[in-house]
Amino acid sequence: EDQVTQSPEALRLQEGESSSLNCSYTVSGLRGLFWYRQDPGKGPEFLFTLYSAGEEKEKERLKATLTKKESFLHITAPKPEDSATYLCAPTSGGSYIPTFGRGTSLIVHP
Amino acid sequence: DGGITQSPKYLFRKEGQNVTLSCEQNLNHDAMYWYRQDPGQGLRLIYYSQIVNDFQKGDIAEGYSVSREKKESFPLTVTSAQKNPTAFYLCASSNNYNEQFFGPGTRLTVL
Repeated sequence: EDQVTQSPEALRLQEGESSSLNCSYTVSGLRGLFWYRQDPGKGPEFLFTLYSAGEEKEKERLKATLTKKESFLHITAPKPEDSATYLCAPTSGGSYIPTFGRGTSLIVHP
Repeated sequence: DGGITQSPKYLFRKEGQNVTLSCEQNLNHDAMYWYRQDPGQGLRLIYYSQIVNDFQKGDIAEGYSVSREKKESFPLTVTSAQKNPTAFYLCASSNNYNEQFFGPGTRLTVL
């Protein structure tokens, strides 16, 4: 059974204080891993897809990395507008249906 | 603009009623999905469809029904058999193995 664990559950940062969010996964034959951002009361917004260990993707202050067991979302010098819940979702080779983690709720204080 | 629309944004259901949530996409995606999101929980898959006139149950299909008569549309009916329907419902679409794109969601409350 595919499993995904995101940590921490909640993270509070000061503006400019860099940090990382973790996504640990157990899937049989990773096909791809997705990262999403979700604002309160809204649908998730797609950020990145990572396909193989060692791959990195960047967008503004966000950088996603992937190993064989984990993915990290690094946030550099965050701003209050980066406050949201970040979801990761790996997809196993036998399916195209991703398994979503419970997310990390990030709050960035000005 | 291409995207996914869901309606209504808020929906209230009385005990014993069936209600239908609308989901439309103009992204020309083959696959569509329905998820349920509860506070502190991840997204749980209700139903999905890879192609018109075909759909499969997800992890929590009991008390729900769907149809896929058109490629653009994937409505979800929450039946009276669903004992705890209060939740945030999300519709998504994708080209099968690629990333999913989500609609804005419908918040359903049982009165």
